[in-house]
Amino acid sequence: EVQLVESGGGLVKPGGSLRLSCGGSGFIFNNEWMSWVRQAPGKGLEWVGRIRSITDGGTTDYAAPVKGRFSISRDDSKTTLYLQMNSLKTEDTAVYYCTTDRVNVVRGLITNIPDYWGQGTLVTVSS
Amino acid sequence: QSVLTQPPSASGTPGQRVTISCSGSSSNIGSNFVYWYKQLPGTAPKLLIFRNNQRPSGVPDRFSGSKSGTSASLAISGLRSEDEAAYYCATWDDNLRGPVFGGGTKLTVL
Repeated sequence: EVQLVESGGGLVKPGGSLRLSCGGSGFIFNNEWMSWVRQAPGKGLEWVGRIRSITDGGTTDYAAPVKGRFSISRDDSKTTLYLQMNSLKTEDTAVYYCTTDRVNVVRGLITNIPDYWGQGTLVTVSS
Repeated sequence: QSVLTQPPSASGTPGQRVTISCSGSSSNIGSNFVYWYKQLPGTAPKLLIFRNNQRPSGVPDRFSGSKSGTSASLAISGLRSEDEAAYYCATWDDNLRGPVFGGGTKLTVL
């Protein structure tokens, strides 16, 4: 059974930093592309960013609102995904989920969509 | 504002069939697969439909997905009380170069 467990959330002041972790089990971690998705209180889902498997280059992509402030990394030896969040803003307040991704090739383009989700960890940015 | 448009709410009575719509554009739904998720209050989303109309193992065949042009739909037949949840559509957006989601539809079973 696929399990994803996030940790590291909490209260942080605007401008501060936080690092989230996501431990995976029940699947071959190093084969998977993985994403972070967030959900502001009472709102919908917003993709944050993704990291490819090391085999596929291990590169990252980010949504515009977080680009330059957030960074995704992975340690396959620890089956752990990370989200480093810097220069946090009040609008970053949300539950952050890590996901495994379904990868498709459509018209020669590689696309990814979240598949399995962790239980989420709440990040509150407030003074 | 979400990239994909869903009605904020839907409702039905037990046993009824309900559909939830999801509208997009040529850069997202029009050229990519559509996915649907179910989210119970206080829990993580769970994948319900992938590649427009495929169900992961364990998802009942009461749930079905379809896509036409730049719109997609999720249909739930034989409505049950446990279907009361928020439902989200998602797809890839070629312009934004990432996954995009609908705003979610809260389904109430009357």
